[in-house]
Amino acid sequence: EDKVVQSPLSLVVHEGDTVTLNCSYEVTNFRSLLWYKQEKKAPTFLFMLTSSGIEKKSGRLSSILDKKELFSILNITATQTGDSAVYLCAVNRGAQKLVFGQGTRLTINP
Amino acid sequence: EAQVTQNPRYLITVTGKKLTVTCSQNMNHEYMSWYRQDPGLGLRQIYYSMNVEVTDKGDVPEGYKVSRKEKRNFPLILESPSPNQTSLYFCASSASLRTGANAFFGQGTRLTVV
Repeated sequence: EDKVVQSPLSLVVHEGDTVTLNCSYEVTNFRSLLWYKQEKKAPTFLFMLTSSGIEKKSGRLSSILDKKELFSILNITATQTGDSAVYLCAVNRGAQKLVFGQGTRLTINP
Repeated sequence: EAQVTQNPRYLITVTGKKLTVTCSQNMNHEYMSWYRQDPGLGLRQIYYSMNVEVTDKGDVPEGYKVSRKEKRNFPLILESPSPNQTSLYFCASSASLRTGANAFFGQGTRLTVV
């Protein structure tokens, strides 16, 4: 059975800290790995990763994929209260078949 | 404004009463999907569609139907809702796999079946 596991499930840090969120996967037909941020309701797309070792960056967020060890990390540096959200990892198994992890709830305290 | 619109946003219904949740996108996207989100289980794919008249089951299709008669619309149909279908539902669309599967999500529909 295909599965995606995120850790930790919950994380509380202070503003300015750096955090690392983890996503490991076991799927039969890997095409890409995606990260989303979910605040109030709808998830919003952050990154799509298809190749190992190539870091994707967007401001203070960055992500990298390791296809040999079957995991990805999402880093957030100099965290702000606006980064508080649930971060979702998903694997695309081809033809739009996505499987999601449970999510990591990140809380940034001022 | 590019968006995915779901209706209704909130719905309370009784067991067995057929309902439809509509989903419409204005971006001319080929790919559309439906998900349900439950505490501790994350998002699970119900059905997806790669184009008009092309649909396929996701991981949890039991008790649901979909149709894709037009590119912009992808309604989710519950013929005989049951309490275990109480959940938060999301519709999503994307232009292609290259741009990031399911890059745009609707605002969600919170369904309660009593």
